[in-house]
Amino acid sequence: ETGVTQSPTHLIKTRGQQVTLRCSSQSGHNTVSWYQQALGQGPQFIFQYYREEENGRGNFPPRFSGLQFPNYSSELNVNALELDDSALYLCASSGPYNEQFFGPGTRLTVL
Amino acid sequence: AQTVTQSQPEMSVQEAETVTLSCTYDTSESDYYLFWYKQPPSRQMILVIRQEAYKQQNATENRFSVNFQKAAKSFSLKISDSQLGDAAMYFCASRENTNAGKSTFGDGTTLTVKP
Repeated sequence: ETGVTQSPTHLIKTRGQQVTLRCSSQSGHNTVSWYQQALGQGPQFIFQYYREEENGRGNFPPRFSGLQFPNYSSELNVNALELDDSALYLCASSGPYNEQFFGPGTRLTVL
Repeated sequence: AQTVTQSQPEMSVQEAETVTLSCTYDTSESDYYLFWYKQPPSRQMILVIRQEAYKQQNATENRFSVNFQKAAKSFSLKISDSQLGDAAMYFCASRENTNAGKSTFGDGTTLTVKP
């Protein structure tokens, strides 16, 4: 059984650009969630996908969007990047027993 | 909405000693889970222990145990026989049973283990 993986590990973008982060869920997990973790803070829930549909969203603007694919892998897209978007982005997958497993994260820096 | 509060930004413990990390939470749900996660500098969020709210018995995982006080909405983590590898940021989190993907986290406690 493979764990949750994320790519890329690090990313540097400039203000106004767009970025796509990727996540591969743990085998057999059909719910994927994305979190933003600013430096020195706890992760903040962005949204979650269940069977390719968004079914929960935190307090993030529409320029944060996502996709989940039939193989349960997922993307997080952020448009019109702002400096405050600089953070660690974590992906987590949830299985049938309510266990939530996190990936190693993508560190996004916006200059 | 759920909230999670960790009132200790930093804690330190001597190797082999015991330390307790505090967490309080608030939720309107009756069916929920509570978790402690460890996040070392490598960034990987690792599940340390979990507690189902309907269970009165406190969860234990080897050197890690919790003190779950449901009425007080308190969920502390006790680490016994602390080891150097326990040094990390620890996050308390809650999750509603009806919402498998959304966890609410506290702001974390940085634990230092002194040799």
